[in-house]
Amino acid sequence: QVQLQESGPGLVKPSQTLSLTCTVSGGSFTTGDYDWTWIRQPAGKALEYIGRLYTSGNSKYNPSLESRATISIDTSKNQFSLKLSSVTAADTAVYFCARNKWVRPEGYYYMDVWGKGTTVTVSS
Amino acid sequence: DMQMTQSPSSLSASVGDRVTITCRASQTISINLNWYQQKPGKAPNLLIYAATRLHSGVPSRFSGSGSGTDFTLTISSLQPEDFATYFCQESYTFPSITFGQGTRLDIK
Repeated sequence: QVQLQESGPGLVKPSQTLSLTCTVSGGSFTTGDYDWTWIRQPAGKALEYIGRLYTSGNSKYNPSLESRATISIDTSKNQFSLKLSSVTAADTAVYFCARNKWVRPEGYYYMDVWGKGTTVTVSS
Repeated sequence: DMQMTQSPSSLSASVGDRVTITCRASQTISINLNWYQQKPGKAPNLLIYAATRLHSGVPSRFSGSGSGTDFTLTISSLQPEDFATYFCQESYTFPSITFGQGTRLDIK
């Protein structure tokens, strides 16, 4: 059973870079028809897509965050990471990593495995 | 930009009630629509994918319908563990992902 676990600092100062890691356990990270996603959720608000990563190493981002977000992969550790630069209080949220499972040939996908989430607060 | 609009934003109901939540896409998304349940302090859990398909292990009282721009999630007989927030999510505008704003389901 695949499990995801987010880790990283819970407090980041304004203008600094938020760095989080998602560790994938209990299954292969690079096989199967999946891609890997970061989602965030400010307190009491909706879920927001940050970006997604393919096991090839290519990544795509929410246009509203693209200039500040970087998602990378470390296949040797079964991990993928998020860096979000120049953070402000608006980046305070619970950050989730999730697996997107693709259904072929129909071409749709869904997030079937999620991490428990990690709270990041941006404050001086 | 894609917009996903859920209604109602909140709902009060009783155990045993039949409940319907609606999600409307700002442009056609075929059947590329998923539903999730989220309880306080927890990650979302997948309920329905491809508009109508029940995810493994999800009780059969949950069902989904719709295509194009209008979709519904129905809970046929509410159970105590169903009181939660529900989100729809489109998977059509790849690589982007857009969620609805959520529907909070409370006990009446």
